[in-house]
Amino acid sequence: AQTVTQSQPEMSVQEAETVTLSCTYDTSESDYYLFWYKQPPSRQMILVIRQEAYKQQNATENRFSVNFQKAAKSFSLKISDSQLGDAAMYFCAYRITGGAQKLVFGQGTRLTINP
Amino acid sequence: DTGVSQDPRHKITKRGQNVTFRCDPISEHNRLYWYRQTLGQGPEFLTYFQNEAQLEKSRLLSDRFSAERPKGSFSTLEIQRTEQGDSAMYLCASSFQRENLNEQFFGPGTRLTVL
Repeated sequence: AQTVTQSQPEMSVQEAETVTLSCTYDTSESDYYLFWYKQPPSRQMILVIRQEAYKQQNATENRFSVNFQKAAKSFSLKISDSQLGDAAMYFCAYRITGGAQKLVFGQGTRLTINP
Repeated sequence: DTGVSQDPRHKITKRGQNVTFRCDPISEHNRLYWYRQTLGQGPEFLTYFQNEAQLEKSRLLSDRFSAERPKGSFSTLEIQRTEQGDSAMYLCASSFQRENLNEQFFGPGTRLTVL
């Protein structure tokens, strides 16, 4: 069974600084996708960034980038120049490419931005 | 607003009552997912539809739970004889299946409290 583990229940960072959220996963599949989702308080979950497992190049979306280490099954999210609006729960998620393509989520990391 | 909508946003019920939630997906999306999120945890997959067909159900979905998606449009999730353990956020997501690209867009969720 696929599992996703986020070992940091809470993280905090000073505004404008950089923070890295960790995620590891377990799978026997070779083709899959990894995601980071953001869930602000009382608001809906939105996709932050996506990584396709067959691509060696790490994905980047503006201030958000990932460090994808396929052999280590590690997928961390780096947020640069942190902003107050980045405060949220962040979930790492995995899915295979076929079938239901259901998402398997980690437990989440609560990110606090200190002004 | 053309995003995923869910109704109601909050539901408080007494143990043993039946409840029904509704999800309206993005109009052209052919896949619809239900997830359950308990406090402090990541969402867990419950079931999914491709058009009107329910193609997979999680073992979390006991026989007290039933989901429908008539005509492949909106979906309902009914819980019969609610239990306190059913208290959670119920999230709906929709996507348009195109090759392996299947970004799921989430609704705001229905928060269920069973007293």
